[in-house]
Amino acid sequence: DAGVTQSPTHLIKTRGQHVTLRCSPISGHKSVSWYQQVLGQGPQFIFQYYEKEERGRGNFPDRFSARQFPNYSSELNVNALLLGDSALYLCASSLPANTEAFFGQGTRLTVV
Amino acid sequence: QQQVKQSPQSLIVQKGGISIINCAYENTAFDYFPWYQQFPGKGPALLIAIRPDVSEKKEGRFTISFNKSAKQFSLHIMDSQPGDSATYFCAASVQGGKLIFGQGTELSVKP
Repeated sequence: DAGVTQSPTHLIKTRGQHVTLRCSPISGHKSVSWYQQVLGQGPQFIFQYYEKEERGRGNFPDRFSARQFPNYSSELNVNALLLGDSALYLCASSLPANTEAFFGQGTRLTVV
Repeated sequence: QQQVKQSPQSLIVQKGGISIINCAYENTAFDYFPWYQQFPGKGPALLIAIRPDVSEKKEGRFTISFNKSAKQFSLHIMDSQPGDSATYFCAASVQGGKLIFGQGTELSVKP
């Protein structure tokens, strides 16, 4: 069975640009969450979606947005990129009413 | 109150030894406490998890000990192996919501 898949795996963007990161959850998982992991720190929660509805939002600026599609895949969008947005962006999926979250390999975003 | 504090920051253990990583929390609403293992360049992998109605859970060489009154939980890795060398994160959540992660422990197991 395929795990959580994220694309692209690596990305280099220039300050001020926009980026879209994609996530496909494990088959049957309807909840998707996004996390930002800066080097040397634990992942920080950005968004949680369940059945296409936003269920939670972390302490991130409005430049960050996300959505979930009818097939439960998800996109994370970041506008007006800053150098500080350079990080590993992780997507996690889980079953309904199940707290076990499984992470993808992440997208390494570098902003120059 | 949403923080999860993890220690130590780094840990060196000899092959065959016991690795112990500790976490503490304040929010008594947390009802799920997982541990994740992360290798460089990879996403975190769920290792083992516990709920507060259980004081200990064991899976293979990995054991979680949970002390509800002290609001602390710990990961024990028995018979540590060089392949266990990774960064370990504790986390906590409320009713399937966002995971609050600790700061991570970099474990190095020397042969």
